Amino acid sequence: EAGVTQFPSHSVIEKGQTVTLRCDPISGHDNLYWYRRVMGKEIKFLLHFVKESKQDESGMPNNRFLAERTGGTYSTLKVQPAELEDSGVYFCASSPAGGALGRSEQFFGPGTRLTVL
Amino acid sequence: SQQGEEDPQALSIQEGENATMNCSYKTSINNLQWYRQNSGRGLVHLILIRSNEREKHSGRLRVTLDTSKKSSSLLITASRAADTASYFCATLNDYKLSFGAGTTVTVRA
Repeated sequence: EAGVTQFPSHSVIEKGQTVTLRCDPISGHDNLYWYRRVMGKEIKFLLHFVKESKQDESGMPNNRFLAERTGGTYSTLKVQPAELEDSGVYFCASSPAGGALGRSEQFFGPGTRLTVL
Repeated sequence: SQQGEEDPQALSIQEGENATMNCSYKTSINNLQWYRQNSGRGLVHLILIRSNEREKHSGRLRVTLDTSKKSSSLLITASRAADTASYFCATLNDYKLSFGAGTTVTVRA
């Protein structure tokens, strides 16, 4: 069974540019999450999708970040325009439906390392 | 806010030795989880311990939980080079995982 995949693995862009990160969750997983780790700090929750609906986007830093999950399959996270402090590793995770117990284990992708110069 | 805080921040041990790291958290929990991240790879779920459990084993891993002190420990026995990674504790609030900054473990051959 394929795990969570993320693309690209690395992205280097200049301040002011736009970058779009993609996440493909495990097939059949209704829940999809985005997290971010900035420069050695703790990994922080960004948002949570249930199928195509945003369940919680309280962790999104500001309106330069836009996440979508069209059709409830893959998700994209766009940063526009990118700033220096957006550099970090962006993780995507997914979990099956099934209430709190089913969501307990989240399966993470390898992450996208974003560097903003 | 940071829910889990790991201690120490970094640990260097010889292959075959045991590695112990600790985690403290702030709010009440239903369970606590430990994850590992190898360089360039994603987070791998290691073990979950529920709030009514005090100790749990999985292979060479041993996790303890003390809810009165709001702390947990992860012990890796007979460490191997492949155990070199960052280890994170995380608490789950409904669907949101809250992670600490992690402990970086280096196992020397």
